[in-house]
Amino acid sequence: EVQLVESGGGLVQPGGSLRLSCAASGFTVSSNYMSWVRQAPGKGLEWVSVIYSGGSTYYADSVKGRFTISRDNSKNTLYLQMNSLRPEDTAVYYCARASRLDNYYYYYGLDVWGQGTTVTVSS
Amino acid sequence: DIQMTQSPSSLSASVGDRVTITCRTSQSISSYLNWYQQKPGKAPKLLIYAASSLQSGVPSRFSGSGSGTDFTLTISSLQPEDFATYYCQQTYSNPWTFGQGTTVEIK
Repeated sequence: EVQLVESGGGLVQPGGSLRLSCAASGFTVSSNYMSWVRQAPGKGLEWVSVIYSGGSTYYADSVKGRFTISRDNSKNTLYLQMNSLRPEDTAVYYCARASRLDNYYYYYGLDVWGQGTTVTVSS
Repeated sequence: DIQMTQSPSSLSASVGDRVTITCRTSQSISSYLNWYQQKPGKAPKLLIYAASSLQSGVPSRFSGSGSGTDFTLTISSLQPEDFATYYCQQTYSNPWTFGQGTTVEIK
């Protein structure tokens, strides 16, 4: 079964760090684009980051320079290292697989999602 | 960055109604537009990709159209399980961005 399971969320003080993990089963993380999306309480979805199968990484402006996306191929796991955390980073963080859904064009969609892990940044 | 604007922000509709949600982008994105459905406390679900292609397993009452900067998600006959929040997303260029969401409520 294709599945993503996030972990690592919790309560952290402003300025602190946290590393989120996303364990995949049923497919290979390194062969896919993988993304993080977050949702602040009562708010909409905010795209955070993506790592391409080739290793290129991209970030939302709101997290650039503070967050780092990575993967461990041996563990088939995606990570999000979050540093210099701010109260506005409080959210449910989802990992998702971004699949190429067309054989000709590079149409990608987030077709598999984890259940989410909650990060709270507060003193 | 590409800005996404959805309208309306919310709407009330009855079972059986035809519902249309619009997404406008700040620059042309060809057809690199996805639609998601999210129910409270749940992860989003991909409905439509490439502006008009139905994701596997999604009911045919959902359809998408548009290209360039203007896109539409249509639910042809609203069902009880369709009351949710809908988001558009562009994957034309990084950073990928989402619209602010449209909540479909029961009238």
